[in-house]
Amino acid sequence: GNSVTQMEGPVTLSEEAFLTINCTYTATGYPSLFWYVQYPGEGLQLLLKATKADDKGSNKGFEATYRKETTSFHLEKGSVQVSDSAVYFCVLRRSQAGTALIFGKGTTLSVSS
Amino acid sequence: SQTIHQWPATLVQPVGSPLSLECTVEGTSNPNLYWYRQAAGRGLQLLFYSVGIGQISSEVPQNLSASRPQDRQFILSSKKLLLSDSGFYLCAWQIGTENSPLHFGNGTRLTVT
Repeated sequence: GNSVTQMEGPVTLSEEAFLTINCTYTATGYPSLFWYVQYPGEGLQLLLKATKADDKGSNKGFEATYRKETTSFHLEKGSVQVSDSAVYFCVLRRSQAGTALIFGKGTTLSVSS
Repeated sequence: SQTIHQWPATLVQPVGSPLSLECTVEGTSNPNLYWYRQAAGRGLQLLFYSVGIGQISSEVPQNLSASRPQDRQFILSSKKLLLSDSGFYLCAWQIGTENSPLHFGNGTRLTVT
């Protein structure tokens, strides 16, 4: 079946540290991949996306590259800030038309100054 | 601008009682609508999605049902709640292509006692 596996948290970092949150997926065909983020007290929102192999999604200093050969979509940021503290969800949309998003379990990131 | 409303924000119901959660969207037409459930340690689970009035796709067989009586109204129901129905229920809307972002409501915290 279709599923997403992301590293379990919480991830605790100091400000300006390098961030990687691992995400791998299982899917038939060629899914689209997303990272959603939920900041404290706010609703879920799209952070970035990649819709085909080798695409790189980027936003707010975050990047993730769609790697078909390793079925991965790891989230990275070179220098995290306290304001990046949030829960991050790796998400897959199946390649079949009309289908919806499959979420990972979420990874909590806590950044301290 | 588009807005999404979910109510109630919290709900405590006894086992065996019925359930009705409502979600409405304003400021857009013919959105895709989604119901997700977030249980502790399990991430977001897709329950139902709808691409139009009266069109409901169920992702997981369970004790719940969904209906879309109007274009911008999505209702989650149960005839008899189970303890396992406890969780955080999120409604989301989407317009545009299948890879367009989902916009989530603030959710309903349901506790079945």
